[in-house]
Amino acid sequence: AQSVTQPDIHITVSEGASLELRCNYSYGATPYLFWYVQSPGQGLQLLLKYFSGDTLVQGIKGFEAEFKRSQSSFNLRKPSVHWSDAAEYFCAVGISGGYQKVTFGTGTKLQVIP
Amino acid sequence: DAGVTQSPTHLIKTRGQQVTLRCSPKSGHDTVSWYQQALGQGPQFIFQYYEEEERQRGNFPDRFSGHQFPNYSSELNVNALLLGDSALYLCASSPRRGMVQETQYFGPGTRLLVL
Repeated sequence: AQSVTQPDIHITVSEGASLELRCNYSYGATPYLFWYVQSPGQGLQLLLKYFSGDTLVQGIKGFEAEFKRSQSSFNLRKPSVHWSDAAEYFCAVGISGGYQKVTFGTGTKLQVIP
Repeated sequence: DAGVTQSPTHLIKTRGQQVTLRCSPKSGHDTVSWYQQALGQGPQFIFQYYEEEERQRGNFPDRFSGHQFPNYSSELNVNALLLGDSALYLCASSPRRGMVQETQYFGPGTRLLVL
């Protein structure tokens, strides 16, 4: 079965600083990988997804993520954080060729300080 | 175009009771999935419905059941509620049979508290 680890429970960054959120997955074949954001009182919103091809994936709101098979990682990055990015971020993995039985990590809560 | 809607937004029940949560998918979507998100945790997949049938199921007991209607809306039923069922229940819809590569659109959730 697939699994996802997000080692950082909580991260604090200054507005304008760069951001990297870590995600490690476990899956025997090529995974389908996702990053979602959840703001208070809101549902989850998809930031980006990776299935195949270019290992650097661009998403919405200026986010990008890089798939590194050798490290089983799919870290999320943003060059300059805005206060509105404060939210909880979830990495998720799905089974290639299957339906949406997606496994989520436990999330990283991002705090942005002025 | 309305997104995924869920009702009610909040619910308080007591142990042993039964609860029904409702979800209306985004227009044009034919697949509905349900997730349970306990406090401080990531969402956990409960099950997925397509063509009015449960297609996949996560590691949840039979107390959790669902239904999908011809208009693609869905219900999640939980019987014999336990304190541990307290969570945010998220509904997600997607188009084109809900294959993993399709984007899931999530509703705002129903917050269930079991006392």
